[in-house]
Amino acid sequence: GAVVSQHPSWVICKSGTSVKIECRSLDFQATTMFWYRQFPKQSLMLMATSNEGSKATYEQGVEKDKFLINHASLTLSTLTVTSAHPEDSSFYICSARIRTTSSYNEQFFGPGTRLTVL
Amino acid sequence: SQELEQSPQSLIVQEGKNLTINCTSSKTLYGLYWYKQKYGEGLIFLMMLQKGGEEKSHEKITAKLDEKKQQSSLHITASQPSHAGIYLCGATLIQGAQKLVFGQGTRLTINP
Repeated sequence: GAVVSQHPSWVICKSGTSVKIECRSLDFQATTMFWYRQFPKQSLMLMATSNEGSKATYEQGVEKDKFLINHASLTLSTLTVTSAHPEDSSFYICSARIRTTSSYNEQFFGPGTRLTVL
Repeated sequence: SQELEQSPQSLIVQEGKNLTINCTSSKTLYGLYWYKQKYGEGLIFLMMLQKGGEEKSHEKITAKLDEKKQQSSLHITASQPSHAGIYLCGATLIQGAQKLVFGQGTRLTINP
C-alpha cells in the first residue's frame, strides 16, 4: 500500500528556535499533501494544503509566516515551525493524496511528529 | 461546533461483544472515510464510502453510509483487543474538494 513517512518522529526544542518536519510519500507521487495538527484527545485540524510547485493554501487562523510549507517535489513536503513557542507543542501529521484522475479523495497519513517546545 | 459529530466519544466493551460508532453531519457527505489511530501514531485507513446506501466490510468491520449521505456507522463484530484505538471519521463536505474534515474521534477500549 501507499506509505507516507515523517521525520523526525519527535523533536524537543527551545522556545524561539525553528523546527523543520519532513513528509515523504515513499512509493507513489503525491499531487497534494496536507498538514494537520492534533492536540491531546482532540481531532485532527487541517492547517494547510500543499500542492507541488505552488504556494500552500492555509486554513483560517493558521499563520502562514509561522508555519512555512514547501512542497518541492511530488514526494516531499516540509513544514517549518518558525520561532516556536510552547503553545506550538502538538502532534503534527501529514497526509498525501495519490496522483490520480479518480474522484476519490483517499489520503494516506504519515506516522506523525510530536513537537515539544520548552 | 463540529461539522462531523461522532458518538460515542468513548466506548468500553467486553471482548467478543459487538459495537457501533456513528458519524453524523448536517451537510452532505461526498466522501466518508474511516480511520483508526493508536495514541501518538498516524492514521490507518480502514474504509471509504461514497454512494448513498453503500456498505463495505473488511474482516470484522463493516461501514455503512446512509441513503441521505449524512450519516455513517462503523460496526465491529466480535471485538478483539486488537480493535482498541481511536476511530476517526473524515469527510469531504464540498463536492470535488480535497479537504477532509474530521470528527472528534471515538476512543475504543476492549476489556478482556
